[in-house]
Amino acid sequence: LAKTTQPISMDSYEGQEVNITCSHNNIATNDYITWYQQFPSQGPRFIIQGYKTKVTNEVASLFIPADRKSSTLSLPRVSLSDTAVYYCLVVRMDSSYKLIFGSGTRLLVRP
Amino acid sequence: GAGVSQSPRYKVAKRGQDVALRCDPISGHVSLFWYQQALGQGPEFLTYFQNEAQLDKSGLPSDRFFAERPEGSVSTLKIQRTQQEDSAVYLCASSLEDRTGPGANVLTFGAGSRLTVL
Repeated sequence: LAKTTQPISMDSYEGQEVNITCSHNNIATNDYITWYQQFPSQGPRFIIQGYKTKVTNEVASLFIPADRKSSTLSLPRVSLSDTAVYYCLVVRMDSSYKLIFGSGTRLLVRP
Repeated sequence: GAGVSQSPRYKVAKRGQDVALRCDPISGHVSLFWYQQALGQGPEFLTYFQNEAQLDKSGLPSDRFFAERPEGSVSTLKIQRTQQEDSAVYLCASSLEDRTGPGANVLTFGAGSRLTVL
């Protein structure tokens, strides 16, 4: 499975847009990119997934360039409640699949 | 139920005791996963069930760890002769799809069971 690399931590302020970039240089053809969010004392929560180009939902946008070697999770106008750990995962959609989490990016949103 | 339910939420065990952690997945969900999360780390995969079949147990750290899902719904993770290094949060997740379904990577996690081994 492709190894992912993302920032250990990021700081932001309320109302700003936050972009978290994840590198996955060895991504394979049948791999999908998935992002999860985890608050303290809770399990991770699915945010968004994509294969290529751009995906948007009510929570976030996911930008994936043509070479798919990286992806960027974009959180518009963050609030204090967006303070959490964000995990980038590359998931191979075959019979061997299992979601492998790294250490994630700790996002701190300040007032 | 509406979500994945895990019990107990907190468990303190003396070293050497056996513990059992329960997971009630969302009704009808085919896939069930167990993860172990140490403090400050990301969740680490332990095992995967598709209905009642345990298809992957490659992440179980030792033969002291055992998981079952006999009727394809509720699952139990059992840890025998607990050690201090077993202290962690144990997360259960379920998914409507099997591993090859388009929604297979959309997991719903429970809040976890925090195990402390003294």
